[in-house]
Amino acid sequence: DAKTTQPNSMESNEEEPVHLPCNHSTISGTDYIHWYRQLPSQGPEYVIHGLTSNVNNRMASLAIAEDRKSSTLILHRATLRDAAVYYCIVETSYDKVIFGPGTSLSVIP
Amino acid sequence: ETGVTQSPTHLIKTRGQQVTLRCSSQSGHNTVSWYQQALGQGPQFIFQYYREEENGRGNFPPRFSGLQFPNYSSELNVNALELDDSALYLCASSLGYGGGGNEQFFGPGTRLTVL
Repeated sequence: DAKTTQPNSMESNEEEPVHLPCNHSTISGTDYIHWYRQLPSQGPEYVIHGLTSNVNNRMASLAIAEDRKSSTLILHRATLRDAAVYYCIVETSYDKVIFGPGTSLSVIP
Repeated sequence: ETGVTQSPTHLIKTRGQQVTLRCSSQSGHNTVSWYQQALGQGPQFIFQYYREEENGRGNFPPRFSGLQFPNYSSELNVNALELDDSALYLCASSLGYGGGGNEQFFGPGTRLTVL
């Protein structure tokens, strides 16, 4: 199974951009890259996903390296409500979504 | 549109007992996945059901079993509970398989404590 590695924790100042990195060096050509986040005492929440091209939505942007061995989740302006654990996930098949330990993001007012 | 709901919210059991957790999928979703999340860790995939059939399984023993009903609601059953089964149990629904880039919608989870 493709594994991901992320920093354990990161800090950002409020209203500044945040770049959350993820390495997935064993990714296969058909594996999707997903990002979810989990706020305290809640279930995970979908953020964004992509396959090869960079993706944008109302929550964030996903930048995927050309060789697809890494990706970066970009929050354009961090708010206090963005403080959460962010999970980078490689979806290796139709039946398995493997979560890693994630990155705990703190946002400083 | 109703989101994913789970019941009960909290549950306390003793070692050796059996437990059933329930999940109602988001309207129109035909796939449900179950995850176990120990404190301070990421969710671990237990299994997935697609149209009432098990569609994949993670590294969990057979005492973890499930069902999906025609209305796509689902149950997770755990027999012979062990102390290490204490965790937050999450279900997630999606349209289609869990693969292919489908977004999964998670419920708030059931907190199980085994004494």
